Amino acid sequence: GAVVSQHPSRVICKSGTSVKIECRSLDFQATTMFWYRQFPKQSLMLMATSNEGSKATYEQGVEKDKFLINHASLTLSTLTVTSAHPEDSSFYICSARPAPSTDTQYFGPGTRLTVL
Amino acid sequence: GENVEQHPSTLSVQEGDSAVIKCTYSDSASNYFPWYKQELGKGPQLIIDIRSNVGEKKDQRIAVTLNKTAKHFSLHITETQPEDSAVYFCAASTLEDSNYQLIWGAGTKLIIKP
Repeated sequence: GAVVSQHPSRVICKSGTSVKIECRSLDFQATTMFWYRQFPKQSLMLMATSNEGSKATYEQGVEKDKFLINHASLTLSTLTVTSAHPEDSSFYICSARPAPSTDTQYFGPGTRLTVL
Repeated sequence: GENVEQHPSTLSVQEGDSAVIKCTYSDSASNYFPWYKQELGKGPQLIIDIRSNVGEKKDQRIAVTLNKTAKHFSLHITETQPEDSAVYFCAASTLEDSNYQLIWGAGTKLIIKP
């Protein structure tokens, strides 16, 4: 149980284009999903917290117009990297929390974004 | 805010030996402490967690201990196997703006030598 999927697993795009990453909770409903970014050999950096039906809460330093988050249903959240640039290349990971009053997070497999 | 420190950054042990990774946290209000294993190119996988009302939890070869007074918790892996090689992250849960967030340690790269 508690499986989270991400799509795509890898994406290569040209500078200036936009990329959408999907995060799905497959066997549970997630009222809250989190988006993280991870650079090589570093820990996870929280980008934003997304609650179903509400606007995402972004961490300090994360541009909301650059990283658009939509949490349209209890099983799907999307992250769109708009006008991507090489510095946006990174490993993006989502996680989902099964219930609002719990703090356990289950992670997706991650998406490797490379911007040329 | 909460701060989590994790040591060591790299740990190399002989196959079959035990491995111990330690974390300390600063916010005494934190009450949930998960451990994640991350293999190269994959997302973190929850391997064990502990809540502040418990001092120790064990699942087969993996155990976690928590000392609330000293504000530290540790991951213990016994009879290590090559497939235990990975990066391990500790985290502490804190309530921010009505949302529980995980504050992460820097990670420990565990190398199991055959």
